[in-house]
Amino acid sequence: QQQVKQSPQSLIVQKGGISIINCAYENTAFDYFPWYQQFPGKGPALLIAIRPDVSEKKEGRFTISFNKSAKQFSLHIMDSQPGDSATYFCAASGGSNDYKLSFGAGTTVTVRA
Amino acid sequence: NAGVMQNPRHLVRRRGQEARLRCSPMKGHSHVYWYRQLPEEGLKFMVYLQKENIIDESGMPKERFSAEFPKEGPSILRIQQVVRGDSAAYFCASSPTSGPTDTQYFGPGTRLTVL
Repeated sequence: QQQVKQSPQSLIVQKGGISIINCAYENTAFDYFPWYQQFPGKGPALLIAIRPDVSEKKEGRFTISFNKSAKQFSLHIMDSQPGDSATYFCAASGGSNDYKLSFGAGTTVTVRA
Repeated sequence: NAGVMQNPRHLVRRRGQEARLRCSPMKGHSHVYWYRQLPEEGLKFMVYLQKENIIDESGMPKERFSAEFPKEGPSILRIQQVVRGDSAAYFCASSPTSGPTDTQYFGPGTRLTVL
């Protein structure tokens, strides 16, 4: 079964707008939540990651919000740019197999100029 | 510092043939992970290897699939007697250790098409 559920499947945003992607998990052993960005024909690249001891982490225009009690986390892309057009994957790992990343299904973001 | 290298980038096989996918980790990385990405899906963990050892192959199909990471040379993912359902993108990642904070760096992937 899919351990990390991601939505929406795709979204379109105007340049300068905010993109929001949501993920939910069930496994309470998860304690590491990275987001990966993937461009067509390329491998996923780590964008930003968070641990449950903080509720928010910001790096430039990218912010992760984390809600431990709801077992949800989200990625916000502020001031979206055409170069942000890509597929974004949330992931989670933790417990005895903390090397094993469980990925969401991905969100394709299109930023219109 | 070169990133994770994978070859070939694209591989076409007919049903019943063998597919061999290669992965060279980043310099200084001794931990290798293979993931499979089916169309419209996220990546699924297949196997975790260290030099000469398979640590966790819980995500790998029991039949036809095997992986190795020899003392010298790249890691190899081998698929015997390929079937159409094996068509996917196969990604390799590497990390310097396997700690919970260690980033896994992904290669560009091998896109396997089975005719």
